[in-house]
Amino acid sequence: QVTLKESGPELVKPTETLTLTCTVSGFSLTTARMGVSWVRQPPGKALEWLAHIFSNDEKSYSPSLKSRLAISKDTSKSQVVLTMTDMDPVDTATYFCARMDVGVIDQWGQGTLVTVSS
Amino acid sequence: SSELTQDPAVSVALGQTVRITCLGDSLRTYNTHWHQQRPGQAPVLVIYNKNIRPSGIPDRFSGSSSGNTASLTITGAQAEDEADYYCTSRDSTGNHVLFGGGTKLTVL
Repeated sequence: QVTLKESGPELVKPTETLTLTCTVSGFSLTTARMGVSWVRQPPGKALEWLAHIFSNDEKSYSPSLKSRLAISKDTSKSQVVLTMTDMDPVDTATYFCARMDVGVIDQWGQGTLVTVSS
Repeated sequence: SSELTQDPAVSVALGQTVRITCLGDSLRTYNTHWHQQRPGQAPVLVIYNKNIRPSGIPDRFSGSSSGNTASLTITGAQAEDEADYYCTSRDSTGNHVLFGGGTKLTVL
């Protein structure tokens, strides 16, 4: 059974850096053409893709957020980490990690709500 | 183009057929996938690569694509199909994932 679970702070202050961890099970981060994406959803709004990382360590970022994002993986821990710098209240959202299999997001984590407030 | 456009809201009578559309120039080149999101839940993939249903998705869900338009059709809509539906594909470079703005489906 494939599962993904996000973890990280529920509350961050403006200008701080957010670090989120996605812990996966039921598949390997080293399997060819497998990857993990991060997607966010502000309250009441649409899904927004942020970044993904593949088994070969290829990375891609949303052009509008690229300067603030970094994605990495620790295959020994089955974890993918996303950092987002200079957080702002508009970054308040539910952050999801999701499995990408041959380029298709096919499994989602439950999501974690991050609120940006002083 | 770097956008996927969806109608914000669509309604359908119980048991009837509804089509949800997604427009984008990149759809001429890249496959479209559809995700269903019920209130308070994580999205679920319902159609991938234009018209393939993942295991466990009812066969009343189908997909199609022509030119710059992709469609998700629900034939015989059920009450549990009331949800937000998002199309997703790639941008024109192929390197970035795009989501449409979502369509809220109401089953009357």
